[in-house]
Amino acid sequence: DAGVTQSPTHLIKTRGQQVTLRCSPKSGHDTVSWYQQALGQGPQFIFQYYEEEERQRGNFPDRFSGHQFPNYSSELNVNALLLGDSALYLCASSSEDRGFINEQFFGPGTRLTVL
Amino acid sequence: DAKTTQPNSMESNEEEPVHLPCNHSTISGTDYIHWYRQLPSQGPEYVIHGLTSNVNNRMASLAIAEDRKSSTLILHRATLRDAAVYYCIPENYGGSQGNLIFGKGTKLSVKP
Repeated sequence: DAGVTQSPTHLIKTRGQQVTLRCSPKSGHDTVSWYQQALGQGPQFIFQYYEEEERQRGNFPDRFSGHQFPNYSSELNVNALLLGDSALYLCASSSEDRGFINEQFFGPGTRLTVL
Repeated sequence: DAKTTQPNSMESNEEEPVHLPCNHSTISGTDYIHWYRQLPSQGPEYVIHGLTSNVNNRMASLAIAEDRKSSTLILHRATLRDAAVYYCIPENYGGSQGNLIFGKGTKLSVKP
């Protein structure tokens, strides 16, 4: 089992550009959540996808959007990049079947640097 | 959402027990208490969770105060690999997978 995988590992963009990050969930998982982690801070919830729909959203602007595919993999898109978007972007997967246990499995993250 | 208070940092010696405290005085009766940890250069990983009773698993033990306003994660014998940031996360069970609200956590250093 490969666990949660994310690509790319690192990415450098300039202000105003757009970026797409990708995530493959752990085998058997159907729910994908995205988090942003600034340096020295805990991860902040961006949004969660289940059954190809955005189910929950944190306090992030519309520049942040996502998608979930029928195979449960997911993409995070960020438009009009700002310097403050520089962070580690984490993807986490979980299974709806686990019921009340919110055990999320995290990938290693994508380090985004905006210049 | 319940607010949490954790020490910014703690130190331990290798092979000694470590008690990581967390205050969550605003927790609701249905909030599970989750603990995650984040090793350097990795994503967070689940450690343990509980509701009212103390819990044990292969990684750690979780002691929950009777009034549920605080909990303590116990590592029985710290190893160098346990050096990480530990997050205490009360979570409201709403019948579906919720999001995790991370604070700044406690950075644990383990000395050989």
